[in-house]
Amino acid sequence: EPEVTQTPSHQVTQMGQEVILRCVPISNHLYFYWYRQILGQKVEFLVSFYNNEISEKSEIFDDQFSVERPDGSNFTLKIRSTKLEDSAMYFCASSEAGTNEQFFGPGTRLTVL
Amino acid sequence: GENVEQHPSTLSVQEGDSAVIKCTYSDSASNYFPWYKQELGKGPQLIIDIRSNVGEKKDQRIAVTLNKTAKHFSLHITETQPEDSAVYFCAASDGASYDKVIFGPGTSLSVIP
Repeated sequence: EPEVTQTPSHQVTQMGQEVILRCVPISNHLYFYWYRQILGQKVEFLVSFYNNEISEKSEIFDDQFSVERPDGSNFTLKIRSTKLEDSAMYFCASSEAGTNEQFFGPGTRLTVL
Repeated sequence: GENVEQHPSTLSVQEGDSAVIKCTYSDSASNYFPWYKQELGKGPQLIIDIRSNVGEKKDQRIAVTLNKTAKHFSLHITETQPEDSAVYFCAASDGASYDKVIFGPGTSLSVIP
């Protein structure tokens, strides 16, 4: 069964450093998403992406965040200057055109020291 | 924007009993209501969803009900099994947004053998 994959599974970085989290969505999906989940809390929407542009973003997704689809398979989330409060699980998801059904990857645990 | 509440936060049931999780939402324009199951160390997995033109939907041991007037929806799991133990999240589309989904805070379900 096709699935969303994410790398790395765990990323440790120093405060102020840039990180790039990578995702490979399901191949025939056209909508891509990033969510984050701070330990023990709810899953929070960050951004959705369609047709090579952001379609929706939350107030969390400020100028420190950016997304990109650099090629036909990868979808990335970049945090330019990480803060301690960016420590969380980051989930990528994707969905087909014409449906809201989002399929999530296993997540990347980001730890900012 | 949309706000989703969920109760209870924790739920323990004996194997074979039923479990019910209830959610409320705030935006009457919301039209899509998915439920996700999250096992330890994994991403959320879509288990069932319901759209605002349907009052009830069933898939084997899982059923969802939706009351648009009262703005609440529920997940019912019958004949619970130990492998049903997980955190369950309800979610609602952010108004009529096609791709932004707001999660509830989650319910930790434990099924006792």
